[in-house]
Amino acid sequence: GEDVEQSLFLSVREGDSSVINCTYTDSSSTYLYWYKQEPGAGLQLLTYIFSNMDMKQDQRLTVLLNKKDKHLSLRIADTQTGDSAIYFCAETVPTGGFKTIFGAGTRLFVKA
Amino acid sequence: EAQVTQNPRYLITVTGKKLTVTCSQNMNHEYMSWYRQDPGLGLRQIYYSMNVEVTDKGDVPEGYKVSRKEKRNFPLILESPSPNQTSLYFCASSWTGAGNQPQHFGDGTRLSIL
Repeated sequence: GEDVEQSLFLSVREGDSSVINCTYTDSSSTYLYWYKQEPGAGLQLLTYIFSNMDMKQDQRLTVLLNKKDKHLSLRIADTQTGDSAIYFCAETVPTGGFKTIFGAGTRLFVKA
Repeated sequence: EAQVTQNPRYLITVTGKKLTVTCSQNMNHEYMSWYRQDPGLGLRQIYYSMNVEVTDKGDVPEGYKVSRKEKRNFPLILESPSPNQTSLYFCASSWTGAGNQPQHFGDGTRLSIL
């Protein structure tokens, strides 16, 4: 079945790089996403990558996709205290329409 | 301002008392969806709608109903709420249900069923 897995917690020091990892099971994924959730708010799209790409860079964010291992990562360079949030990995799979499957979220703590 | 609006933001109620959580978007999006968020489980899809009068079950539809009579509104109905429906609920919308369309989320509704 479809499943997306992430580690639940990550703690880094301000200024360091953060790497959040995700694995998924459905090889028919078309797009993979990273969403950010701040306390008391909904999810905001950070970035996404099409399944035929290996890497995407957007300012401080770098997404790496290893389709063979079904592994997705999000690297945040120069992590700031404002980056503290929950980060969700998600994949979209075709089901007649499309279905989006979310991981449980990784809570990032940034220490000053 | 483009947004997805949910009401109420918080609700405490009792088992069996019917309730409706409203969701409205002002972006003319075709696709709308309801999720529930529970600790350690991430977001699970309850129902989604590809367009007006078209709704389909997600992964956890039991105990919920939805309707899509107009494009902008997608209410979530709990006919007879039970304590296991205590959760944080999110409504989301996107232009279409296609895989390359990021979803816009509301700020969430926290329901407590006693």
